Amino acid sequence: NAGVTQTPKFRVLKTGQSMTLLCAQDMNHEYMYWYRQDPGMGLRLIHYSVGEGTTAKGEVPDGYNVSRLKKQNFLLGLESAAPSQTSVYFCASSYSTSGGANTGELFFGEGSRLTVL
Amino acid sequence: GQNIDQPTEMTATEGAIVQINCTYQTSGFNGLFWYQQHAGEAPTFLSYNVLDGLEEKGRFSSFLSRSKGYSYLLLKELQMKDSASYLCAVRDSNYQLIWGAGTKLIIKP
Repeated sequence: NAGVTQTPKFRVLKTGQSMTLLCAQDMNHEYMYWYRQDPGMGLRLIHYSVGEGTTAKGEVPDGYNVSRLKKQNFLLGLESAAPSQTSVYFCASSYSTSGGANTGELFFGEGSRLTVL
Repeated sequence: GQNIDQPTEMTATEGAIVQINCTYQTSGFNGLFWYQQHAGEAPTFLSYNVLDGLEEKGRFSSFLSRSKGYSYLLLKELQMKDSASYLCAVRDSNYQLIWGAGTKLIIKP
């Protein structure tokens, strides 16, 4: 059971370059999320999806785009990378936000460490 | 605005007990989570509280007081592997998670 898998794990970009981070989950979860984690700050939500074909903006969406063409995959794109986007990016998924015995806990991928020079 | 406060860093001794506090001010409340994150790794779920009181899971317990906007994570019989960051997160009225910056726990022999 792989859980949530992110690729690539590490990447170095030059300012202005583009890239895509891929997240895949095999738990049949409806909800998927992209967060960034920076030193001294809490996790910040970039974009999220409540189901296949849907996406929504989170707290810090500027400079990022996402797509959820298949239920199991959630892609995060950077069209023109900036040094301010140097961060650790985490993908997460959950069955739902709440309901019954389900707490809506998040399952995280291992993280993707991105450096923009 | 919405805010989660946790101590930045705590130090404890192997075998001892430590309590990590979390206070929150959010737009509504639909549950509070604690996650553990080892350095360089992903956060992993520890506990969930939605009603007032204590939830116990082995060596870890989590307490919630909604009227005080307060929670704590209690770790007993500390082991070296408990050295990690502990993240508090609250789900608000829109079912969005608001995250604290985390508490780095250092365990000394």
